[in-house]
Amino acid sequence: KQEVTQIPAALSVPEGENLVLNCSFTDSAIYNLQWFRQDPGKGLTSLLLIQSSQREQTSGRLNASLDKSSGRSTLYIAASQPGDSATYLCALAGGTSYGKLTFGQGTILTVHP
Amino acid sequence: NAGVTQTPKFQVLKTGQSMTLQCAQDMNHEYMSWYRQDPGMGLRLIHYSVGAGITDQGEVPNGYNVSRSTTEDFPLRLLSAAPSQTSVYFCASSYSDWTDTQYFGPGTRLTVL
Repeated sequence: KQEVTQIPAALSVPEGENLVLNCSFTDSAIYNLQWFRQDPGKGLTSLLLIQSSQREQTSGRLNASLDKSSGRSTLYIAASQPGDSATYLCALAGGTSYGKLTFGQGTILTVHP
Repeated sequence: NAGVTQTPKFQVLKTGQSMTLQCAQDMNHEYMSWYRQDPGMGLRLIHYSVGAGITDQGEVPNGYNVSRSTTEDFPLRLLSAAPSQTSVYFCASSYSDWTDTQYFGPGTRLTVL
């Protein structure tokens, strides 16, 4: 059974810092991995999707990497801003989990001015 | 495009009552799904559909029923509400299946007394 772990559970940084969020998984037989953002009381917004054949994806100040062999993905946020404060979740579409994504518990990010 | 819409936003039920959570999307997506989000448990898949007329169970289907008569709508029915069903419910859709970028609705916060 696929297990997804996100470390740290919470992170507080000053504005302007570069930061890395981590996602690890136990089963490397995945189709892809998505990073989502969730604001309090809101739904999830997909930020980046990395296919299993890719090593990284970039969107603006966000860069996500994927290393299937080590079961790890990272989300790099450059020059963080208070508006980046949210919960960040990773989710895997796995080969043995037909029909569903397996989510991590999320990292709560606070960027203070 | 309105994207994925969910109604109601909030609902309070008494134990034993039934109700339907509504989900609609206007993106002509084939895949739709229902998740529940609980503290410490993350997001768990309840039911999903890969197209009109086709539904299947997820991880936690007991006590819930779904149907998919049109591409646009995917309602979730609670047959006899229990306090254990107190949760935030999210509907999501994607172009073809669970490996595509997922678009989430804003959620329904349900309390069962």
